[in-house]
Amino acid sequence: AQSVTQPDIHITVSEGASLELRCNYSYGATPYLFWYVQSPGQGLQLLLKYFSGDTLVQGIKGFEAEFKRSQSSFNLRKPSVHWSDAAEYFCAVGGGSNYKLTFGKGTLLTVNP
Amino acid sequence: NAGVTQTPKFRILKIGQSMTLQCTQDMNHNYMYWYRQDPGMGLKLIYYSVGAGITDKGEVPNGYNVSRSTTEDFPLRLELAAPSQTSVYFCASSTPETPLHFGNGTRLTVT
Repeated sequence: AQSVTQPDIHITVSEGASLELRCNYSYGATPYLFWYVQSPGQGLQLLLKYFSGDTLVQGIKGFEAEFKRSQSSFNLRKPSVHWSDAAEYFCAVGGGSNYKLTFGKGTLLTVNP
Repeated sequence: NAGVTQTPKFRILKIGQSMTLQCTQDMNHNYMYWYRQDPGMGLKLIYYSVGAGITDKGEVPNGYNVSRSTTEDFPLRLELAAPSQTSVYFCASSTPETPLHFGNGTRLTVT
């Protein structure tokens, strides 16, 4: 069965600092991997996705993620965090013909001024 | 360009009541999904559909039913509401080439 682990429930960083959110997955084949962001009271917005090819993926809002098959990881990074990045971040894994996604439990990001 | 539209945004139900959460998409996506989100638990898949007339259970289907008579609509039915169904419900749609596109959610409270 597919699964996703986000080890950090809550992370606090200062504005302008770098950010890395961790994601580890379990999947029986080559996975599709995603990061979504959710602001309070809102739906989920796609930040970036990995389907195949280059293992370093660029997304919106200056985010990037690196797929490391040997470590079963897909960590999200940003070199300089902005106050507007405060939100909850979800990693997801999926694939196959029905495209079902399994989500991690999320990491809540707080940004201090 | 509406995307995925969910109604209502909020609803309070009494135990044992029934209701239908509506979801419609205007992107001609074949795949549609219902997830529930509980604090600290991420999103859990309730039901999904790969096309009109085809539905299948996800991880947490008990207490729910769905139908998919058109490509656009994927309603979720709660027959006998229970407090355990208090949650935020998200509908999403996709194609094999595009990631899931989510609606803004329905916040349901069962008391």
